[in-house]
Amino acid sequence: GAGVSQSPRYKVTKRGQDVALRCDPISGHVSLYWYRQALGQGPEFLTYFNYEAQQDKSGLPNDRFSAERPEGSISTLTIQRTEQRDSAMYRCASSLSMDQGTGKLFFGSGTQLSVL
Amino acid sequence: GESVGLHLPTLSVQEGDNSIINCAYSNSASDYFIWYKQESGKGPQFIIDIRSNMDKRQGQRVTVLLNKTVKHLSLQIAATQPGDSAVYFCAENTGGFKTIFGAGTRLFVKA
Repeated sequence: GAGVSQSPRYKVTKRGQDVALRCDPISGHVSLYWYRQALGQGPEFLTYFNYEAQQDKSGLPNDRFSAERPEGSISTLTIQRTEQRDSAMYRCASSLSMDQGTGKLFFGSGTQLSVL
Repeated sequence: GESVGLHLPTLSVQEGDNSIINCAYSNSASDYFIWYKQESGKGPQFIIDIRSNMDKRQGQRVTVLLNKTVKHLSLQIAATQPGDSAVYFCAENTGGFKTIFGAGTRLFVKA
């Protein structure tokens, strides 16, 4: 596609429910990142994929958070048993480069998650 | 620990003037730095990057300066326009895949 696509754009859920956030990166981009962004703050790294391999998940807050990219393209970020503190904008980014320390990130418009 | 911060949370400039946005980083091992612009309701957008073996890089109306001695990064915008109004983030990469973002500076351009 023309850019990184994320869905849904908005997600409202009740505490304790599971949610799945989807990211469709730019075609041909090898690297895919998930970030979380609180209002007025910079994006906070969650996890990173190179093709289908999850290379770094050190930013995932706890074991309720997981991500996958089974075919090296579309990725899903899943939050189980959501809590109010999970409310935030979740952003996906992709990058053409697979080399370490290189590659500008192209961000999607994000999914605004609200946990009631 | 890793951190990227900014000296000023907001900056207000007159249209046509030059803008300078500053950023301090703490990880001396960082070797790649990037500036992103984020407009309201949108994701961050790449502006310019610089590697640690450089101290200056120029783009179209933008210049990034890197001072590794004091771990300082700046973004200069020439002839600032209303369309430059946004939040600007500096980000650093330590040679791995994790890009760490600072909290951001909001730039207001007065007509």
